[in-house]
Amino acid sequence: GENVEQHPSTLSVQEGDSAVIKCTYSDSASNYFPWYKQELGKRPQLIIDIRSNVGEKKDQRIAVTLNKTAKHFSLHITETQPEDSAVYFCAASILNTGKLIFGQGTTLQVKP
Amino acid sequence: EAGVTQSPTHLIKTRGQQATLRCSPISGHTSVYWYQQALGLGLQFLLWYDEGEERNRGNFPPRFSGRQFPNYSSELNVNALELEDSALYLCASSLVRGVTGELFFGEGSRLTVL
Repeated sequence: GENVEQHPSTLSVQEGDSAVIKCTYSDSASNYFPWYKQELGKRPQLIIDIRSNVGEKKDQRIAVTLNKTAKHFSLHITETQPEDSAVYFCAASILNTGKLIFGQGTTLQVKP
Repeated sequence: EAGVTQSPTHLIKTRGQQATLRCSPISGHTSVYWYQQALGLGLQFLLWYDEGEERNRGNFPPRFSGRQFPNYSSELNVNALELEDSALYLCASSLVRGVTGELFFGEGSRLTVL
């Protein structure tokens, strides 16, 4: 069935370092891949997304890469800051199904 | 502009009872999605409503049901509550039908089943 595996489950970095979170999806028909950030006690919020016709997308300190052949996509955060500390979820979707399949989440801690 | 609003914030029920959760989407959004976020688990897709119709549902038993009203607000009903139904229930809405872009989530309704 549909599945998204996310690694690592926890990640601790020093402020200023880079952080990388990796996800693998199972359904080759997936064509939309968003990343959500959920701060403690808050609602998930979209930080970046990528569609299957694009290999990489960047927005300031955040970038996402997609390898459709390997069914693998990654989130890269550079120059991390304490306010980047949160749980990050990757997800995969087949357009027009209304369903996002989420990974299990990565708890990122950025130490000042 | 008001975001997605959900009520109640917290709800405590006992096994076998029924729970009703409510969601108001962002004005102009016609699609509403429901997700379950159990402790230690990711978000699990429950239901998708658009234009008053159920369009898709996740792998949950039929005792999870809902509806969407003409004003696009939605409610989620969980019948015959079980202990494992304890979770945060998140509602989201989108401007574009069927997850082709950003989902805007509410703060969630935390359901505790005793």
